[in-house]
This record gives sequence, structure tokens and C-alpha cells, in this order.
Amino acid sequence: GAGVSQSPSNKVTEKGKDVELRCDPISGHTALYWYRQSLGQGLEFLIYFQGNSAPDKSGLPSDRFSAERTGGSVSTLTIQRTQQEDSAVYLCASSLALNGGYSNQPQHFGDGTRLSIL
Amino acid sequence: AQKITQTQPGMFVQEKEAVTLDCTYDTSDPSYGLFWYKQPSSGEMIFLIYQGSYDQQNATEGRYSLNFQKARKSANLVISASQLGDSAMYFCAMREGNTGNQFYFGTGTSLTVIP
Repeated sequence: GAGVSQSPSNKVTEKGKDVELRCDPISGHTALYWYRQSLGQGLEFLIYFQGNSAPDKSGLPSDRFSAERTGGSVSTLTIQRTQQEDSAVYLCASSLALNGGYSNQPQHFGDGTRLSIL
Repeated sequence: AQKITQTQPGMFVQEKEAVTLDCTYDTSDPSYGLFWYKQPSSGEMIFLIYQGSYDQQNATEGRYSLNFQKARKSANLVISASQLGDSAMYFCAMREGNTGNQFYFGTGTSLTVIP
């Protein structure tokens, strides 16, 4: 399909294990974003990538969280030594870059990965 | 200060009536965009409507319109002729045109349409 693809859709793991979440953005979208959404809550920004620039990691809650984006396309969010409070839906979004200062490009979201830490 | 403020945690509307969801924003960037997203209980985020800071007219998309009051820094979403399928969380977001690619989201408003 042409949308943002995330995998897995659901992940259940034991506390202390590492997990990797994958995001495949829309082709041609140079901006990629990760968010976390706890049940009934808003979106918590984690990190975003723009082209070859250094990523904005200002939203990562701890050093257990990291993300990379290879070849300017697919991104992986890694959570090490998972804790129960990491349980949430992790959403990925992609967007075209700013267009000459015009900010009219929306984000397109994937369906998310529901992470449950036992 | 919060970039995006949504002051209505929950709203109810009768089917076929119109409803307004409030959103105020804070920015010093003269170029910015405002977006509304819908998130049904199934979880996907659906882009609804966009308003640019330089747009002279209020944006409209079908039953959705945006009441853009630039001086008051508000961008309220109006849904006309509400349908049961409109029951969802609604998020307002802003992207600043000159300061990067960051999107700022509000805390959302839960809308329930009553039959």
C-alpha cells in the first residue's frame, strides 16, 4: 500500500526485554516522526528525522529509547530493558518537508504498534 | 507555554446537529499551519483539514470547516450535521513554517454523538 506501515501491530514482551518497532514511511517523505500514546491520552512526541540532518531526540524519555533511520527511509525505534510504564501505542508518521517555508504538509500516520509489557 | 491548547476534554452533540471543537495556539512564527486529526476508537489518526496562516478564507472540507480567528489565535473545528461515525477523539496540531518540521499536538477532545 501507499500509506505508512508499522510492524508489528501488537507486541507483548516481558519486563526487561528489548524490543524493536519498525516504521516504513510513505515513499518520498523526508520527515519521519515517532510518538507514544498511552491509553486515553494525547500524543507524546519522541523523535523526528528530517532527511540527512541530525534527528531531534528531545522527546525521548530515557536513554533506554533510541531510534535510527537507515537510508532515509525505514526507521526502527528500540526500547532496551523494557519497563511496564513503556506499555503504550507507538505511532509513526511521515511528512513531506517544509515547502519553501509553507507549512501545509500534514503528517500521515501508521496504524501504530500496541506494546504491552508484562 | 503550551503551543496548542484544547480546553474541552469531552463534548456531546445530538445527531444531525453542528458542534464546535475549540483550539487555541501560541507561536511567534508568522508562517504556520494548523491541522485537525480524528482518531476513532480503532486508533488510526486521520487527517481532516488544514488552515495556513496566510490563508484569507476559512478552510472547508465537506462537513468540516475551520473557524480561523488569527488575532485571537484560535482555530476551532466545526462539524456540521453530526453523524454517529463522528464519535472519536479530535486533535488540533500546529506546524511552524520557519523553525523546523516539528508538529505540536493538543491533548484532544473526545466527541460523542448521541442518536
